[in-house]
Amino acid sequence: AQKVTQAQTEISVVEKEDVTLDCVYETRDTTYYLFWYKQPPSGELVFLIRRNSFDEQNEISGRYSWNFQKSTSSFNFTITASQVVDSAVYFCALSEEGGNNRLAFGKGNQVVVIP
Amino acid sequence: SQTIHQWPATLVQPVGSPLSLECTVEGTSNPNLYWYRQAAGRGLQLLFYSVGIGQISSEVPQNLSASRPQDRQFILSSKKLLLSDSGFYLCAWSVDRGGYEQYFGPGTRLTVT
Repeated sequence: AQKVTQAQTEISVVEKEDVTLDCVYETRDTTYYLFWYKQPPSGELVFLIRRNSFDEQNEISGRYSWNFQKSTSSFNFTITASQVVDSAVYFCALSEEGGNNRLAFGKGNQVVVIP
Repeated sequence: SQTIHQWPATLVQPVGSPLSLECTVEGTSNPNLYWYRQAAGRGLQLLFYSVGIGQISSEVPQNLSASRPQDRQFILSSKKLLLSDSGFYLCAWSVDRGGYEQYFGPGTRLTVT
């Protein structure tokens, strides 16, 4: 069965600091997909990134970057120079091949950026 | 572009009353559709998903049901609400090919009193 663990529940940082969110996953499939979503206070989940299991390249998008390491089954997310608008809950998720894109979510990381 | 709508945005219902939440998707055909519940404390629980009209898979046994009467319409229902049904209900869609992300609607906040 697929499983996603986000150990840190709430993380507080001062504005302009970097923050890294850890995500560890479990799956028996060799083909799988990893995702990060952002849930601001409004509640709607916003898709941030998708990675497939064959693509271990790290990715940077503006102040966001992702580090995918199959060897440690981790898909970590870093926000550089955090801003107040980054305050949200961030979810890591996993789907398996043939699973109709069903997502297994981690419990989420509450990020609080203090001005 | 694709958009997903949910209504109502908020709902307060007494215990034992019926429920109907609606989700519609625009700008795509034959999407996979999903219903999630997020109780206080953040965790997202997949309730139902559908890969086509009339095809519903239930992930968790409960007093809720789902239906898909049209290609881009997904309805979550209950005949009698329980206090434990309170939560934030999210609808999502994805393309009908594997390995793709889901896109979420704005959600319905349900309070059962």
